[in-house]
Amino acid sequence: GESVGLHLPTLSVQEGDNSIINCAYSNSASDYFIWYKQESGKGPQFIIDIRSNMDKRQGQRVTVLLNKTVKHLSLQIAATQPGDSAVYFCAENWTGGGADGLTFGKGTHLIIQP
Amino acid sequence: NAGVTQTPKFQVLKTGQSMTLQCAQDMNHEYMSWYRQDPGMGLRLIHYSVGAGITDQGEVPNGYNVSRSTTEDFPLRLLSAAPSQTSVYFCASRPNQGAAGNTIYFGEGSWLTVV
Repeated sequence: GESVGLHLPTLSVQEGDNSIINCAYSNSASDYFIWYKQESGKGPQFIIDIRSNMDKRQGQRVTVLLNKTVKHLSLQIAATQPGDSAVYFCAENWTGGGADGLTFGKGTHLIIQP
Repeated sequence: NAGVTQTPKFQVLKTGQSMTLQCAQDMNHEYMSWYRQDPGMGLRLIHYSVGAGITDQGEVPNGYNVSRSTTEDFPLRLLSAAPSQTSVYFCASRPNQGAAGNTIYFGEGSWLTVV
């Protein structure tokens, strides 16, 4: 049977469409948030970050939105391309968070349909 | 500037064997750490170091040792490999530990299988 916890949430989008990947973080004291992209067989790669005193930050084709009221973070990717196919995960940083202040989400697998 | 470099990329060990995963960074970062990544799970911290000569345990330290004799290097030692240590290991670094806004940079990973 299927093993619980081995499968990441999956988001499938058409090439050219916009993608929205969501992350719920755990601690209202978190003050810094990071999105990472991890391609198959590679290490996590920094995409974009946001501090807790901001609601929105934009990069090249990516936007991060932070809603502190509901402890929610989202990553928007505009005009999704085949090279965007990867696992995306968020990280939150707070002084009391684990041994190094960082807590990582499990990730979402983004699949791009041609 | 090579960033964070890990070796080996792939390794197969027999149960009970020991080995060392090497990690080096050339960014003069104070903070270095080792994570393991298992299917469907987030990165879990094994050990970390806030500077040369200082190491501390993370979330899952059992079965692993580290040392930090220089700023650049942070090797991870498996003392007696067990199948439960089959995983992908990532070394990471950042300028310092506590300040918010310091992005953490990862190596490319080491795939370890213990049979």
